[in-house]
Amino acid sequence: AQTVTQSQPEMSVQEAETVTLSCTYDTSENNYYLFWYKQPPSRQMILVIRQEAYKQQNATENRFSVNFQKAAKSFSLKISDSQLGDTAMYFCAFMTSAGNQFYFGTGTSLTVIP
Amino acid sequence: DAGVTQSPTHLIKTRGQQVTLRCSPKSGHDTVSWYQQALGQGPQFIFQYYEEEERQRGNFPDRFSGHQFPNYSSELNVNALLLGDSALYLCASSSWWRAVWYGYTFGSGTRLTVV
Repeated sequence: AQTVTQSQPEMSVQEAETVTLSCTYDTSENNYYLFWYKQPPSRQMILVIRQEAYKQQNATENRFSVNFQKAAKSFSLKISDSQLGDTAMYFCAFMTSAGNQFYFGTGTSLTVIP
Repeated sequence: DAGVTQSPTHLIKTRGQQVTLRCSPKSGHDTVSWYQQALGQGPQFIFQYYEEEERQRGNFPDRFSGHQFPNYSSELNVNALLLGDSALYLCASSSWWRAVWYGYTFGSGTRLTVV
């Protein structure tokens, strides 16, 4: 069975500062994918960044980057130069190589303070 | 290019009733997945439909059923509603082949309240 744990229910950061959201997961799979999704008040889940487990290089997307530690089963998200529009719930998610379903964590509510 | 459309956006039902939620996938997608997101929780997988068949199912009782139509749209049906069924129901569409590469698109969900 796959599990995803997000231990930070709420976080806040000053505008333009950097914040890191934590995520750990458990799986016996060797090939899998990890994701960070953003869910603003509009409720739609928006993909922030994706990491393939077989890639050692950490994924980056503009101001968003991850620290993927496969042995430790850790997958943290770093947001640089935080903007007010980054305020949202952030979910860490796992998917096996079959690509059929997401396993989501419980989320971290991020507030960017002006 | 329209994304995933879900209807209705909100509804209120009485315990014991039945409800049907609808989802139209993104253009070019042929697979629809349904998720239940209880308040303060992450989404949980209910089931996935492809070629009008249920391909995979999560840990949900038989009260939860679905259907996919030839135009790839889908319905989620919940019978004998319980108070605990109150949640946001999310639909996600994708392409069956290499979905993890081509991506999933989520709708904005249907907020179901059972009273």
